[in-house]
Amino acid sequence: EIVLTQSPGTLSLSPGERATLSCRASQSVSSSYLAWYQQKPGQAPRLLIYGASSRATGIPDRFSGSGSGTDFTLTISRLEPEDLAVYYCQQYGSSPPLFTFGPGTKVDIK
Amino acid sequence: EVQLVESGGGLVQPGGSLRLSCAASGFTFSNYWMHWVRQVPGKGLVWVSRINSDGSSTSYADSVKGRFTISRDNAKNTLFLQLNSLRAEDTAVYYCARVLSSSSGYSPLGYWGQGTLVTVSS
Repeated sequence: EIVLTQSPGTLSLSPGERATLSCRASQSVSSSYLAWYQQKPGQAPRLLIYGASSRATGIPDRFSGSGSGTDFTLTISRLEPEDLAVYYCQQYGSSPPLFTFGPGTKVDIK
Repeated sequence: EVQLVESGGGLVQPGGSLRLSCAASGFTFSNYWMHWVRQVPGKGLVWVSRINSDGSSTSYADSVKGRFTISRDNAKNTLFLQLNSLRAEDTAVYYCARVLSSSSGYSPLGYWGQGTLVTVSS
């Protein structure tokens, strides 16, 4: 079973700053089947990035994903106050089909 | 517009059962794999189960295998999760989610419902 680790646990930045979130897998994630989700307080999660680097429909271009194999990154180029949320990575390409999530990174806006 | 609306949550005693439903609309339900994901309030997301588009294939997290059963009624555009032998640690908000792409079961979760809270307590 693939285990995902996210760092840092919490990121506290000011509006306009760049946020870099890391997701590391215990084994290689096949075909970049790695997604990122945003969960704002009191809301359901929302898909941000899939296939490691493809933005979902309607996601602003300040959000970008990169990486392959076991190391993946979500970058928010210029933080906005509405980006206050917990961000989760997820792998969805393992066999048998297991769809594990990382523990999340909380982004606080100063 | 894709809509997923969960129902059926509530308070249940340890050892009890509950059946969650997820009513889908705005898309051709029978074309998409569906998932259940749960979240203890204040904690992270945990994948629970998934079912393929025609209901012939299912998978479960080890923590719920043998106790939970996922199913679907494509004629009624509804996804189900039967929860049996419930434990305190099953207390969580349960989300249903639709995969992004109809062409593959290995697809991220593109649409989510708002969740239904299950509380297991005596």
